[in-house]
Amino acid sequence: GEDVEQSLFLSVREGDSSVINCTYTDSSSTYLYWYKQEPGAGLQLLTYIFSNMDMKQDQRLTVLLNKKDKHLSLRIADTQTGDSAIYFCAEMRYSSASKIIFGSGTRLSIRP
Amino acid sequence: NAGVTQTPKFRVLKTGQSMTLLCAQDMNHEYMYWYRQDPGMGLRLIHYSVGEGTTAKGEVPDGYNVSRLKKQNFLLGLESAAPSQTSVYFCASSYSGQGSYEQYFGPGTRLTVT
Repeated sequence: GEDVEQSLFLSVREGDSSVINCTYTDSSSTYLYWYKQEPGAGLQLLTYIFSNMDMKQDQRLTVLLNKKDKHLSLRIADTQTGDSAIYFCAEMRYSSASKIIFGSGTRLSIRP
Repeated sequence: NAGVTQTPKFRVLKTGQSMTLLCAQDMNHEYMYWYRQDPGMGLRLIHYSVGEGTTAKGEVPDGYNVSRLKKQNFLLGLESAAPSQTSVYFCASSYSGQGSYEQYFGPGTRLTVT
């Protein structure tokens, strides 16, 4: 996962917005993903964005894509304790589902 | 649908022992993957398969072998376990057709090699 970079930790107050950032390296990536991993579980897809989009909104989640800077972000509005998890950014390269590269994950913790 | 299941959930091995991890999916997915997850390193792809009877190496294949004899099963083998293989192993599967290529993950197998 060294080609997809994320900060390891983020701490946010309950009710505030969380913004998790990611940089990727391959400008030909077609899909970019955010996965969520809760303690003791596997990863689950939260949302994804196709490379020809700049923004995608899904309820409390907003994904922003800056292709020029190869920067992806996930904003979680009104962060709740149930949002505590590790969030993984991932990119799919060369239109091949076998070439999905994951970042190292950002652990989001919520403080009261 | 059970989705993606993995057995066993936990295992402790001694150095040099062998074992096989089983992954099964009931979603008729063509693609299947084995990852390992280590602290601060995210997920690293060990091996993957794009169809029954085919396998390919991922990012960290050394010390592992795989087989895909049936479409729904993907086996990961450790022939001679080493402490460096202590990790959490995740299996995933995905649909190969049009779409987002979302990967569906199993719950993981926690392996400790002493």
